[in-house]
Amino acid sequence: GAVVSQHPSRVICKSGTSVKIECRSLDFQATTMFWYRQFPKQSLMLMATSNEGSKATYEQGVEKDKFLINHASLTLSTLTVTSAHPEDSSFYICSARVGFGQGTRLTVV
Amino acid sequence: QKEVEQDPGPLSVPEGAIVSLNCTYSNSAFQYFMWYRQYSRKGPELLMYTYSSGNKEDGRFTAQVDKSSKYISLFIRDSQPSDSATYLCAMSPELTSGGSYIPTFGRGTSLIVHP
Repeated sequence: GAVVSQHPSRVICKSGTSVKIECRSLDFQATTMFWYRQFPKQSLMLMATSNEGSKATYEQGVEKDKFLINHASLTLSTLTVTSAHPEDSSFYICSARVGFGQGTRLTVV
Repeated sequence: QKEVEQDPGPLSVPEGAIVSLNCTYSNSAFQYFMWYRQYSRKGPELLMYTYSSGNKEDGRFTAQVDKSSKYISLFIRDSQPSDSATYLCAMSPELTSGGSYIPTFGRGTSLIVHP
């Protein structure tokens, strides 16, 4: 199985607030999940690897204090964008195995 | 040179045409090769995945991997307007201990199939 569900699909928040995005594996257990960011007409950029029961591994240049990742169970990983700014507006996508979530369009106003 | 090169297009074809999408890569360690289709504002959807070299067919889609040339292709037969999307190639050297891939993506090719 590789069905991944992501929620919400779209969120608008005020600058300075925090937003949580959930990623769930529906038909399998995922010890590892991945979080990507995608800019318009660009490919997916890996932000971090979420590891169940341990700290996430962040890619170079990604602020771990800004993008908090929690992988508390084998079927759920969350990405929290803290103190969001307009430049954080983007399309965020999670992945596990070969499956991808539906993506979350974040707009910070 | 990027690890995975993919022409962003756009590629515009008439309905019913055979479409050929391609990627080249430089890392000889890649073993798993995937093709994803991504509609606007949606997450990527896995179309095909192959291990090592060879061909794989699924309905109107055929994936080819030529490891000696470091070249992969996706063919779409009898293309339809609903095939209009961005097609991303992805490849990975090995599975993680948890059974996951850590793919390297191409930038995607935008395909437009017009009626």
